Amino acid sequence: DVKVTQSSRYLVKRTGEKVFLECVQDMDHENMFWYRQDPGLGLRLIYFSYDVKMKEKGDIPEGYSVSREKKERFSLILESASTNQTSMYLCASSKRTAFNQPQHFGDGTRLSIL
Amino acid sequence: SQQGEEDPQALSIQEGENATMNCSYKTSINNLQWYRQNSGRGLVHLILIRSNEREKHSGRLRVTLDTSKKSSSLLITASRAADTASYFCATDHTGGFKTIFGAGTRLFVKA
Repeated sequence: DVKVTQSSRYLVKRTGEKVFLECVQDMDHENMFWYRQDPGLGLRLIYFSYDVKMKEKGDIPEGYSVSREKKERFSLILESASTNQTSMYLCASSKRTAFNQPQHFGDGTRLSIL
Repeated sequence: SQQGEEDPQALSIQEGENATMNCSYKTSINNLQWYRQNSGRGLVHLILIRSNEREKHSGRLRVTLDTSKKSSSLLITASRAADTASYFCATDHTGGFKTIFGAGTRLFVKA
């Protein structure tokens, strides 16, 4: 069964900390995505990557960075965590084709910044 | 905004009834997808309909697409308590590279 695994389901950090969220997929997908999900706002794209070492900004990249050193792993980094980054973070992956393909999601990381 | 908008925001029905959710969008699309999210979990892909298709079925799911009205509907027939979840439409727009997700419809099916 295809799988996207996020390293933590729940995480509590303090303001100013550097926070790493990890995501691993076992489907050999080229594309990987990081979203945040907040009530009433749906999913908002933070960053995506279409290949190793490649990254593109999404709609809300400020305060975040990403790393894709291996095809199966895509990391989201909060450089200096702030309380407004408290949210549910979702990682997804998909195959790269001419048109967008269905995305496969992990179960999310619920991050609280105190 | 290109974002799909689901309607209604929330829906409560009895088990066995049909549930219909609608999605509207603003610019031309290549395809439209529907996803389900159970509480506290990630999204699960349900069905994808391409811009040149008008209707698609998958088990108890029926999706329609009307590109002239820029709208889609998801029908779940003979609903079950296990269908309780949030449902999102997601659109892939012509000339774009992102999938745009709506805010979702929360469906509650009472046993």
